[in-house]
Amino acid sequence: DVVMTQTPLSLSVTPGQPASMSCKSSQSLLRADGQTHVFWYLQKPGQSPKLLIYEGSRRFSGVPDRFSGSGSGTDFTLKISRVEAEDVGVYYCMQGMYLKTFGQGTKLEI
Amino acid sequence: EVQLVESGGDFVQPGGSLRLSCAVSEFINWVTWVRQDPGKGLEWVAEINGDGSEQNYMDSVKGRFTVSRDNAKNLLFLQMNSLRAEDTAVYYCARDVYFGKFDIWGQGTLVTVSS
Repeated sequence: DVVMTQTPLSLSVTPGQPASMSCKSSQSLLRADGQTHVFWYLQKPGQSPKLLIYEGSRRFSGVPDRFSGSGSGTDFTLKISRVEAEDVGVYYCMQGMYLKTFGQGTKLEI
Repeated sequence: EVQLVESGGDFVQPGGSLRLSCAVSEFINWVTWVRQDPGKGLEWVAEINGDGSEQNYMDSVKGRFTVSRDNAKNLLFLQMNSLRAEDTAVYYCARDVYFGKFDIWGQGTLVTVSS
């Protein structure tokens, strides 16, 4: 089974400052065609999760451009260029190459 | 806009059964079920394709959970048997556009397994 390991588990950031979180997979998630089935989801308090990033680096419709995803193979990163109060919640990475596996989540606090 | 609405969550004793439903506003090809133990992280549970011919499950629910669908009624189901305390969670259904691109989620339904 593919294991997704997120770090840190919690992050406290001052509004306007950048934030970065990591996700490492136990197996390479790079397909032969160059696609990477890695996704980032944000679950705000009391809400269902929402898609932020797909294919490792593509922003989903309506997601602010302060969010960016990067990485390949086994190492992936989600960055927020300038954190806003509404970004509070738990961020999950997920792989979709070998069935599906979520990371444990990174809790972002202001 | 496509909508998904879960229902059927309840309180059940260990060893019992429960069937969750996911009502969709229009046909969706791949649908996935994800659960979340209250206060904990997300866990992928199962998925089913458009005509119901392909299903996949996480290891700990294989042989106990069955995912199915009735496209004529725009309904999907998660039949859960031999329930355990560790199955306690909010269960979400979501549309899977492509290999884990869950772009639309339901609001979730709570299953509590306890004696």
